[in-house]
Formats: sequence, structure tokens, C-alpha cells
Amino acid sequence: GAVVSQHPSRVICKSGTSVKIECRSLDFQATTMFWYRQFPKKSLMLMATSNEGSKATYEQGVEKDKFLINHASLTLSTLTVTSAHPEDSSFYICSARGGSPYEQYFGPGTRLTVT
Amino acid sequence: QQQVKQSPQSLIVQKGGISIINCAYENTAFDYFPWYQQFPGKGPALLIAIRPDVSEKKEGRFTISFNKSAKQFSLHIMDSQPGDSATYFCAATEAYKYIFGTGTRLKVLA
Repeated sequence: GAVVSQHPSRVICKSGTSVKIECRSLDFQATTMFWYRQFPKKSLMLMATSNEGSKATYEQGVEKDKFLINHASLTLSTLTVTSAHPEDSSFYICSARGGSPYEQYFGPGTRLTVT
Repeated sequence: QQQVKQSPQSLIVQKGGISIINCAYENTAFDYFPWYQQFPGKGPALLIAIRPDVSEKKEGRFTISFNKSAKQFSLHIMDSQPGDSATYFCAATEAYKYIFGTGTRLKVLA
């Protein structure tokens, strides 16, 4: 149980285009989902917290107009990187919180490369 | 205040040995301390977690030791195996938000 999927696993896009990443909780309902960014050999940095049906809460320094988050259902959250630039290249990981308020279950991540 | 300091940055252990990774924090409001294992190109997977009212928790070969007064906690991997080679992250939670440590790259030699 507690499986979280992400799609796509890898994406390459051209500078200036937008990319959408999906995060799904497969076998549980996730009232809250989190989006993290991870640079090579670095730790995970929380970007935003999304609650189903409401606006995402962004961490300090994260541009909400650049990283659009939608949590339309209890099993799906999406992250859209708008007008992507090479510096947005990174590993993006989502997590979902189910019944326990403490436990987060992480997706496999999405490698974004902006050329 | 929000940092979680993790050490060592990297660790090499012989097969069968004990791997020990340490974390320290300052924020006394943290109330949940999980450890995650991450393989290259994959998302983190929960290994074991502890609440601050418990001093030790063991699950299989993995043990968390928690010292509330020192604001430190550690992960012990007993009988380390080459398959344990991965990056390990500690985390601390306040208001259900995770603050991750900087990670420890563990390599277990066969």
C-alpha cells in the first residue's frame, strides 16, 4: 500500500516552454501533497504544500507564478513549470500524506532537463 | 532554527559492519523524526521513524536512537549489506512539514 506515482519520469524540454508533472496516489486518498526539488547530490527542498481543492502554499523563495500547482482531486496533484529555463533543470519529487498526519509517501521523481 | 544537521556526509562500511548516521536539530517543536533511503534516480523510501517520547525504535536491522535532551538522533544499520548502499536522509517534522538533513552517502563494501 501507500504507492505514489509520478509522470513522466524524465522530460526534456526547450527553454521557454511549459512542462506539467503529475503526481498520483494510487491506493489511498491524499488530502495533502508536497512538491520537492532536489539538486544532484543534495537534499530535498520543499517547494510547496497543496491541499485538495485549495490553493497551494509556497515556501519562501519559490515563485508561485513559475511553479503552478493544482490539487484537483484526492489522488492527483500537478506541478507545471512555466516558461522553463535551464536553471529549472532538476529532480522534482512529490509526496502524499494519507491517513497518518506524519507519514509522507514519496513518488519516484521526475528528472526535468531544460535545453 | 529550522536546520537539521546530518553527519557524516559519506560513509564506507565493510559488509557485516554497523553503519551509524547522526542528526542534530535545534527546534524543540519538531515532533516526528523519520529516516529515508534513496537510491540514485529514485524517490526516497521511508525506513523507520520515531516520536520524541521514545528513546529507541528497532525494525529489523535498522534502529533509531533518540536523545531528546541532546536534540540528537541517529540511525544504526546492523549487519550492513552491499544492497544498503544508498543515500540516507534524516528528517524532522513541524506542523507536518518535513525538514530534511543534508544526506549521507553510504557505501557498503562486499
